[in-house]
Amino acid sequence: DGGITQSPKYLFRKEGQNVTLSCEQNLNHDAMYWYRQDPGQGLRLIYYSQIVNDFQKGDIAEGYSVSREKKESFPLTVTSAQKNPTAFYLCASSIEEGDTEAFFGQGTRLTVV
Amino acid sequence: AQSVAQPEDQVNVAEGNPLTVKCTYSVSGNPYLFWYVQYPNRGLQFLLKYITGDNLVKGSYGFEAEFNKSQTSFHLKKPSALVSDSALYFCAVRDPRRWGDSSYKLIFGSGTRLLVRP
Repeated sequence: DGGITQSPKYLFRKEGQNVTLSCEQNLNHDAMYWYRQDPGQGLRLIYYSQIVNDFQKGDIAEGYSVSREKKESFPLTVTSAQKNPTAFYLCASSIEEGDTEAFFGQGTRLTVV
Repeated sequence: AQSVAQPEDQVNVAEGNPLTVKCTYSVSGNPYLFWYVQYPNRGLQFLLKYITGDNLVKGSYGFEAEFNKSQTSFHLKKPSALVSDSALYFCAVRDPRRWGDSSYKLIFGSGTRLLVRP
């Protein structure tokens, strides 16, 4: 069953801690993306990767880091430098052609406690 | 810079009535346009896209969208709304030209909440 999987679904973090959100896809897609969703603000792009071992900052990359060591995986680390990390995080993937739609995971809701 | 605007935070419609969710974009050239739907605490689901050709595109769940190049709009429509259509709808644009670090980024609007009342 092909798809994109995010884990965990819910994550709680203490202030000052780094946490890593997982994103795995078995769709053989080259491009992967991380978005942050806040109420009333839509989706904002954090990082994206068009190919293994390469990634680019999006519009709100500060306080986040990513890696792309494997085509299937694009984990996002929310560092302690991110001042307001509580949000819903969405991972997506697509083939590297502009006319194709992206497929989304079910999201991870991160809460700082 | 690429941008997408969804001017309405919320759209209210009665079940059985037609619905329209508005989207305008700002991209040089001919953009690729998408509509997605999101149910609470879930990821986004693809509804339809416009790449080229017929300005009226049909998608999932009876939705359709009309591309209007002169008005730079891509409004989502459905002839008869269902209560189950109530969700958050996102319009997105992708610049088809590929250069630098702007290649193939998918830019989303702020979303429109659709509420269909029985």
